[in-house]
Amino acid sequence: GAVVSQHPSWVICKSGTSVKIECRSLDFQATTMFWYRQFPKQSLMLMATSNEGSKATYEQGVEKDKFLINHASLTLSTLTVTSAHPEDSSFYICSAAAGTGSGNTIYFGEGSWLTVV
Amino acid sequence: AQSVTQLGSHVSVSEGALVLLRCNYSSSVPPYLFWYVQYPNQGLQLLLKYTSAATLVKGINGFEAEFKKSETSFHLTKPSAHMSDAAEYFCAVARSGGYQKVTFGIGTKLQVIP
Repeated sequence: GAVVSQHPSWVICKSGTSVKIECRSLDFQATTMFWYRQFPKQSLMLMATSNEGSKATYEQGVEKDKFLINHASLTLSTLTVTSAHPEDSSFYICSAAAGTGSGNTIYFGEGSWLTVV
Repeated sequence: AQSVTQLGSHVSVSEGALVLLRCNYSSSVPPYLFWYVQYPNQGLQLLLKYTSAATLVKGINGFEAEFKKSETSFHLTKPSAHMSDAAEYFCAVARSGGYQKVTFGIGTKLQVIP
C-alpha cells in the first residue's frame, strides 16, 4: 500500500538553529501534502497545506516565515523550523492524499519528534 | 466549516468487553469521516473511513463504525477489546470529494484492563 515516510523521526536542536523535516510519498505522487503539529495530550492541528510547485497555504496563526514549507517535487515536501525555540518542541506529522474522489485515501507519515533545547 | 467532537478523552474497558468510542461531527456539506489510531510514540494509522458508500464501515483489527446522518454520529466499536487495542483514537472529518483539510477530534485514549 501507499506509504508516507518522514525523516528524521527524532531530532534535538539548539535554540536559535533551524531544523528540516522531510516528508516523502514512497510509491505514489502527491500534489498536495499536509503538515500538522501535535502537542502532548492534544489533537493534531493543521499547520499548512503544501502544494507542489507553488506556495504553501498556511492556517491562521501559523507563522509562515518561521515554518518554511517547500514542495519541490511530487514526492517530497519539507518543513523547516527556523530559529527554533523550546516552545516549538512538538510532534510534527505530514500526510499526503493518494488517488482522487471517493477512492482517495490520506496516508500519514510516522511523525517527527522535535525537541529544542 | 467542519468539526468533530469526541465524547470522553479517556475510556477504560475490560479485556473482552465491548469498545465504544463516540464521535459526533458537524459539516456544512456531506462529509468524509475517518477513525485513526495512534500508538505511543508513533504516527497515525487509518482504521477505517466513510466516503458516502455503505453506512456501516468495517476497518482493520476488528473495528467498525456506523455513519448515522440523523444523529450526525460516527461511533467506533469493537465487540471484544484486546490488550493491544490500548492506544489513542482520533475521529476526523473532511469535505467529501476533496481532502483539502482534515479536522481532527481531540482524541480518546483507550485503556484496556486485563
